[in-house]
Order: sequence, then C-alpha cells, then structure tokens
Amino acid sequence: NAGVTQTPKFQVLKTGQSMTLQCAQDMNHEYMSWYRQDPGMGLRLIHYSVGAGITDQGEVPNGYNVSRSTTEDFPLRLLSAAPSQTSVYFCASSYEVLPDGEAFFGQGTRLTVV
Amino acid sequence: GIQVEQSPPDLILQEGANSTLRCNFSDSVNNLQWFHQNPWGQLINLFYIPSGTKQNGRLSATTVATERYSLLYISSSQTTDSGVYFCAVERDRGYSSASKIIFGSGTRLSIRP
Repeated sequence: NAGVTQTPKFQVLKTGQSMTLQCAQDMNHEYMSWYRQDPGMGLRLIHYSVGAGITDQGEVPNGYNVSRSTTEDFPLRLLSAAPSQTSVYFCASSYEVLPDGEAFFGQGTRLTVV
Repeated sequence: GIQVEQSPPDLILQEGANSTLRCNFSDSVNNLQWFHQNPWGQLINLFYIPSGTKQNGRLSATTVATERYSLLYISSSQTTDSGVYFCAVERDRGYSSASKIIFGSGTRLSIRP
C-alpha cells in the first residue's frame, strides 16, 4: 500500500511548454484533488474529482486540465506553462463516504517555469 | 465561502516548551484535519478530528465543532517539530456543491535547540 504517489518530484519548464503531473493512489479512494502551494500561503484547490469520469473546478483552475479515466489515476496537465504556475503541487485523495473523510497527500511536485 | 484562520502565524520556542495552536472556522464543517509540513515540504497527517479530542504521543488535538474552533497541543517540543502546521476543513461533500478542503494559512513553528 503506497498511498498517494506523485511524479515527478521536481520539474523545470520553459514558458509555453506543456507537461503532465502524475498522481496515483492505491487506496480505492473516490475523491481526488490537486492543490497548489505558493510561498507563505496555504494550499489552494485547482481541480477535483468525485469519481472516475467526473471532474470539477476548484478555486484556481485556469491554465490546468484534468481527467479521471480510472479510480486510481488523476493527472494534471499544463497545456502552456507560464511563470505564474511556478509552485509546489500536491495531489490528495480521500474516501467519499463520511465520516471517513480523512485526506491523504502525495509528497508534492516542485515546478519551476522559466 | 468558509474562512479558516490560524493563530499565531509564527511561533518560536525553545526545545522542551509546550505550545498551543488555534484554528477558527467561520461555518459548520464535516471534516477537520491537522497537518504538519516539514522543512522538506512533505505534508504529514497529524489528526483527523471533526470533533472531540485525540492524542498521539506528545501531540493532542481538540475540536469544539459547536464553537467552531480546534486546538493543537504540542508538549515537550523537539527540533523535529519545526515546520508549518496547517488546519484544513471540508464544508460539504455533496456532488452538486463545491466540495473542497480549505486550508488555513498555517502556523510556522520554529523550535530552537
């Protein structure tokens, strides 16, 4: 049981490049989500998914796309990277059914856009 | 939307001291968690505590849901306790709502040897 696995851990992109941040969980969680963390701030929600085939926007969705073709995977795509997307990205997952809603986070991806 | 406020924003203590971190939230919540983000950036679950009191070693947490606050207690602080402590709440889990975990801005704790 590996929990939530994010890859890569570090990435440097040039402005305009595209890339996909991978997130996988092996806990059979329905809920998965992506957050970004900027210096001195808490985490802000980018996109989330309540199950395979279902995604929705969070607080800061612009510039990011997601899809959820399987329960296990929830990739985050940057179509045209911008310096404002320099941040640390965290993926999280949790069970759907309350009260067992504890969220588990991956180790983060540190992205720099130059 | 729901507001989550943490206090104090920064705390510097000597090793061995005790501390209390506070999290206030502006509306009723379904879930509340405390996380520790260590100096390497890892987010570590400390407590899942929508109500009541839990203890784990030198750490304990209490959430009084009716009064909309939670407290994290750290006793006999160690240098490895340094980092940022986040409180995170979840307002609703319905499919049609903007269900999401909302984080406070954190308390930065520095433990001096």
